[in-house]
Amino acid sequence: KQEVTQIPAALSVPEGENLVLNCSFTDSAIYNLQWFRQDPGKGLTSLLLIQSSQREQTSGRLNASLDKSSGRSTLYIAASQPGDSATYLCAVMGAGGANSKLTFGKGITLSVRP
Amino acid sequence: EPEVTQTPSHQVTQMGQEVILRCVPISNHLYFYWYRQILGQKVEFLVSFYNNEISEKSEIFDDQFSVERPDGSNFTLKIRSTKLEDSAMYFCASSLAGGVYEQYFGPGTRLTVT
Repeated sequence: KQEVTQIPAALSVPEGENLVLNCSFTDSAIYNLQWFRQDPGKGLTSLLLIQSSQREQTSGRLNASLDKSSGRSTLYIAASQPGDSATYLCAVMGAGGANSKLTFGKGITLSVRP
Repeated sequence: EPEVTQTPSHQVTQMGQEVILRCVPISNHLYFYWYRQILGQKVEFLVSFYNNEISEKSEIFDDQFSVERPDGSNFTLKIRSTKLEDSAMYFCASSLAGGVYEQYFGPGTRLTVT
């Protein structure tokens, strides 16, 4: 059974810092990995998707990497801003078939201090 | 930009009552999902739906749950006899049947069972 872990549960950084959020998963047989952002009481906004054959994806100040063999992904946020404060969720899609379910980590709650 | 919509945003019901949560997926998407998030816990997969039938379901999705695509646009989750432990945020998601299979989430329906 796939397990996704995100540590630490919470992170507080000063504005402008570059930071790395970690995600690990137990079963390397994945189809893809998605990073989401969740604001309090709100839905999930997809940030980046990495296919299992890819090493990284970039969108603006965000860069996500994937090391499937070691079961790890990182989300790099450059020059953090207070508006980046949110919970960041990592989710993997199993290789059981296209459009399989996503298995989520519990998320990392990021607070960027002005 | 197309988005997944969900109604209502908040539903309060008494234990034992039936509730129907509604979703309008992105129009050209063919796979549909329901997930839920109990307060403070991980987002959990409930069910996926394709070609008018359930393609995958979790152990949470027992006989009290059902899904339906009653017309060409709506996708519903019915909980027949609600329990206190059904209180959660319920998210609908959709994805294309091909390509990168990125799942797009709606804003959620907060279900409170009293």
